[in-house]
Amino acid sequence: GQSLEQPSEVTAVEGAIVQINCTYQTSGFYGLSWYQQHDGGAPTFLSYNALDGLEETGRFSSFLSRSDSYGYLLLQELQMKDSASYFCAVVGGYQKVTFGTGTKLQVIP
Amino acid sequence: GAGVSQSPSNKVTEKGKDVELRCDPISGHTALYWYRQSLGQGLEFLIYFQGNSAPDKSGLPSDRFSAERTGGSVSTLTIQRTQQEDSAVYLCASSQDSNNSPLHFGNGTRLTVT
Repeated sequence: GQSLEQPSEVTAVEGAIVQINCTYQTSGFYGLSWYQQHDGGAPTFLSYNALDGLEETGRFSSFLSRSDSYGYLLLQELQMKDSASYFCAVVGGYQKVTFGTGTKLQVIP
Repeated sequence: GAGVSQSPSNKVTEKGKDVELRCDPISGHTALYWYRQSLGQGLEFLIYFQGNSAPDKSGLPSDRFSAERTGGSVSTLTIQRTQQEDSAVYLCASSQDSNNSPLHFGNGTRLTVT
């Protein structure tokens, strides 16, 4: 089966940089995705890493180390609207997608 | 359609009743997923479909839960003899047939069992 671990909560200051870590144990692995969910909203896709290294998309970057079963999401130049929950998700065999428990990010002025 | 559509958006039912939740995925998306989310919690995997078949049903909490997908499109999640612990938001998502395809989520069905 799959299990993913993330910190439950993170607080950061507007304009700063924050890193949200994710460690996983899985019986099958094709890639690691990240999703954002605002309170009362549906999750929306942020990024996908299939290979080791850093993927950058604007203010957001995502990193993967397959050998360490570890990844992180990096958010730069934090804005108040970035306050949300962030989920890592493993894409396994036959496209099964399993989500982590989520990290609630609070951005403060 | 433009996005994943779920109905109803809200459902209040009495304990012991059966409920059916519907998901209409994005046209052409072969993969369809059901998740359950309790307030402030993560996304609990329930079941997913590749076409009309379900490779993994291991997430269904009990035999009161079942799901089907017909014509490679619409899916229904049925909960029989509902219990109060079934109260949650049920989220459906669909994606194209590729590991790097993002999941597109519907707005969910909020189920309340009284």
